[in-house]
Amino acid sequence: AQTVTQSQPEMSVQEAETVTLSCTYDTSESNYYLFWYKQPPSRQMILVIRQEAYKQQNATENRFSVNFQKAAKSFSLKISDSQLGDTAMYFCAFMKRPGEKLVFGKGTKLTVNP
Amino acid sequence: GAGVSQSPSNKVTEKGKDVELRCDPISGHTALYWYRQSLGQGLEFLIYFQGNSAPDKSGLPSDRFSAERTGGSVSTLTIQRTQQEDSAVYLCASRPSGGAVSYNEQFFGPGTRLTVL
Repeated sequence: AQTVTQSQPEMSVQEAETVTLSCTYDTSESNYYLFWYKQPPSRQMILVIRQEAYKQQNATENRFSVNFQKAAKSFSLKISDSQLGDTAMYFCAFMKRPGEKLVFGKGTKLTVNP
Repeated sequence: GAGVSQSPSNKVTEKGKDVELRCDPISGHTALYWYRQSLGQGLEFLIYFQGNSAPDKSGLPSDRFSAERTGGSVSTLTIQRTQQEDSAVYLCASRPSGGAVSYNEQFFGPGTRLTVL
């Protein structure tokens, strides 16, 4: 079974600075999908960024980018120019095949301080 | 358009009572998922519906949990004889069908917070 580990339960960063959230996973699959979801206090899970394992290029969405290291099974999220609105729980998630269930890590609580 | 909606937003019940949680997926989405988010266990998959196929019930924690999806749209998650350990946020997500990578995204509702006293 696939597992996802987020080793940082909580992190904080100053506004406008950069922060990196860590995620490692365990799988025997060669093709799969990885996601970062954001959950603000409203509880609404929002997709931040996705990565297909067969793509070597790291995904980027505006201030959010990933460092995908397939051999190391590592998928970290970098948030640049942090904003107060980035304060939330961040979940790393794994999907074995398109449309299948998501397997989540336990999350990292990120606080952006003014 | 409208997103995934869930009702009620919060539910408080007494141990031993049955509860029903409702999910209205995004119109046209053929796949629907239920997840449970609890303090100790994080986010766990419960059940997955895809079109007319038999649901994947592999995540249901006990036979007190069941779910149905009527007409390929609205879904109801039922918990019978609730226990205190059932206290959690129950999240529903839906996904459109299709082969493109973009169709892998699951769109989540705001969840139902269940408290069992």
